[in-house]
Amino acid sequence: DTAVSQTPKYLVTQMGNDKSIKCEQNLGHDTMYWYKQDSKKFLKIMFSYNNKELIINETVPNRFSPKSPDKAHLNLHINSLELGDSAVYFCASSQDDSFNYGYTFGSGTRLTVV
Amino acid sequence: GQNIDQPTEMTATEGAIVQINCTYQTSGFNGLFWYQQHAGEAPTFLSYNVLDGLEEKGRFSSFLSRSKGYSYLLLKELQMKDSASYLCAVREEGGSYIPTFGRGTSLIVHP
Repeated sequence: DTAVSQTPKYLVTQMGNDKSIKCEQNLGHDTMYWYKQDSKKFLKIMFSYNNKELIINETVPNRFSPKSPDKAHLNLHINSLELGDSAVYFCASSQDDSFNYGYTFGSGTRLTVV
Repeated sequence: GQNIDQPTEMTATEGAIVQINCTYQTSGFNGLFWYQQHAGEAPTFLSYNVLDGLEEKGRFSSFLSRSKGYSYLLLKELQMKDSASYLCAVREEGGSYIPTFGRGTSLIVHP
């Protein structure tokens, strides 16, 4: 019954590889997000997506691309992985008209690029 | 853009009260969140303030002063399990309305 689930939980891969992280939410929320949390614990927005609009943080390299097959899923694809991409990636969702409940985060994917 | 400032680390004793401050600068304020994040886990939502004043939820309360660009999270009757990072996040008017997170305050609760 996990509200926001993402897989895999851990991902170790070599530089230059292409990888994907999957995210699914069963809350019926309107909007989904991807955040990156670096080694200093700074949580930065990467993408926001609902059925109307994709909002991209302009600082995110175009090697990162979100793909949403439907309202309940927002996957993250990463091409040509670099050492600096090592971080914890969190998926989240929210209901646009109910900020009193905040965002619901997935458990995170710890990506290590070697 | 936004500039969010929180203390990096705080320590407190079990059973005590602790106040974690957050100051921010924004061109158009549209809400402030507090989240709790235990090590190795996802952030979990604690509170949302959009109007001035104090919002109380059990042992946790959150205060907002929009004119001062200031918020605090008050934790009462501290328990060991309250040891975690506490993240302040601010939404800004216009654009995406996506909140920007501060670097978080690591709270260590001692017996």
